[in-house]
Amino acid sequence: SQQGEEDPQALSIQEGENATMNCSYKTSINNLQWYRQNSGRGLVHLILIRSNEREKHSGRLRVTLDTSKKSSSLLITASRAADTASYFCATDAGTGRRALTFGSGTRLQVQP
Amino acid sequence: EAQVTQNPRYLITVTGKKLTVTCSQNMNHEYMSWYRQDPGLGLRQIYYSMNVEVTDKGDVPEGYKVSRKEKRNFPLILESPSPNQTSLYFCASSLSRTGQTEAFFGQGTRLTVV
Repeated sequence: SQQGEEDPQALSIQEGENATMNCSYKTSINNLQWYRQNSGRGLVHLILIRSNEREKHSGRLRVTLDTSKKSSSLLITASRAADTASYFCATDAGTGRRALTFGSGTRLQVQP
Repeated sequence: EAQVTQNPRYLITVTGKKLTVTCSQNMNHEYMSWYRQDPGLGLRQIYYSMNVEVTDKGDVPEGYKVSRKEKRNFPLILESPSPNQTSLYFCASSLSRTGQTEAFFGQGTRLTVV
């Protein structure tokens, strides 16, 4: 089963609005990452947050992590049409030998 | 430029005809993996490799083989492709297994098996 589950599955907003995506996971993690995927293309790393961090910023991105609730959120502020993409969270449980487990993603559509 | 290169980008083949999708990275990464992406299922790991000559199964390894003879290359082999292997495939590499660093993805290979 998938470790990370994103919510909502799809999100449509107007340019300039903020977009918030959530990720829930099941087991303890060492860190959580967010990736972006433009349609049919490879995934691009956005941000990594460690289990001992609660919030992290990168440009217009803000990521929070609540390990007690096993959840994370990605906020994109002042969205642009170019932010239209799918966004995935990926978790590293730190056990076994696999690196990352991905959720099924949130499809974000930013209307110009 | 740091990159992961997959070839081919698109492939249509017939059931049972062996094929290989190549993957090469130029970052001297130890860890490489293959994922398949299907609608509604996200990315599922097929195989991974922690270093040269060290490979192991991911979540959905059936029908696939891999090899890691050199650090930079990690080909995915489908010995006898079937229609249920029609999917979008991604190769990824990272500095280490621990997930403490980002993963770099190739541009994907869209495979259709008829």
